[in-house]
Amino acid sequence: QLQLQESGPGLVKPSETLSLTCTVSGGSISSSSYYWGWIRQPPGKGLEWIGSIYYSGSTYYNPSLKSRLTISVDTSKNQFSLKLSSVTAADTAVYYCARGYSSSWSKIDCWGQGTLVTVSS
Amino acid sequence: QSVLTQPPSVSGAPGQRVTISCTGSSSNIGARYDVHWYQQLPGTAPKLIIYGNNNRPSGVPDRFSGSKSGTSASLAITGLQAEDEADYYCQSYDTSLSGWVFGGGTKLTVL
Repeated sequence: QLQLQESGPGLVKPSETLSLTCTVSGGSISSSSYYWGWIRQPPGKGLEWIGSIYYSGSTYYNPSLKSRLTISVDTSKNQFSLKLSSVTAADTAVYYCARGYSSSWSKIDCWGQGTLVTVSS
Repeated sequence: QSVLTQPPSVSGAPGQRVTISCTGSSSNIGARYDVHWYQQLPGTAPKLIIYGNNNRPSGVPDRFSGSKSGTSASLAITGLQAEDEADYYCQSYDTSLSGWVFGGGTKLTVL
């Protein structure tokens, strides 16, 4: 059974870089059938796609975050990571990692449990 | 503001039928990309309940169904139960963003 687990600091200071890692277990991140993505949800608000990566390293970023965003994959560790620079309070959210089918950018069938990241001094 | 538009809230009594709409545009739903629906219970991650416009994953009750037409889609829930009270999100792909897009979410209240 596939499982995704987010890890990283729960508190980040304004202007610093938010870094999270998603560890994939029960399946290979190197499958050509999937994209691996990050999605966030500010407290009390809706879901926002941050960006996605293919096992080959091809990345797709939300244009609103692109200038601050880096997503990478480490197939040897079955992990992918998120770095968001110059954070502000507006970046406070629950961050989810997720797996989506690559065929026509289809359904997202597996989500991590989510991790709350608070941006505050 | 979300790329896909959903009503903020809907409600219904136990046993009733409710529908949740999801309106997009020619760069997402209208571009023939599938619509998927997720249920999010408080404090938990979203769960896929409808994929490919009208398909249910294993284990999802047949009280849940989906449809799509043009630039819009709908989720229908029949025989409403208290356990259905949750937030529901539609999702598709957008050619302008080159990525996933979500609706703003609809809170379902079972009266």
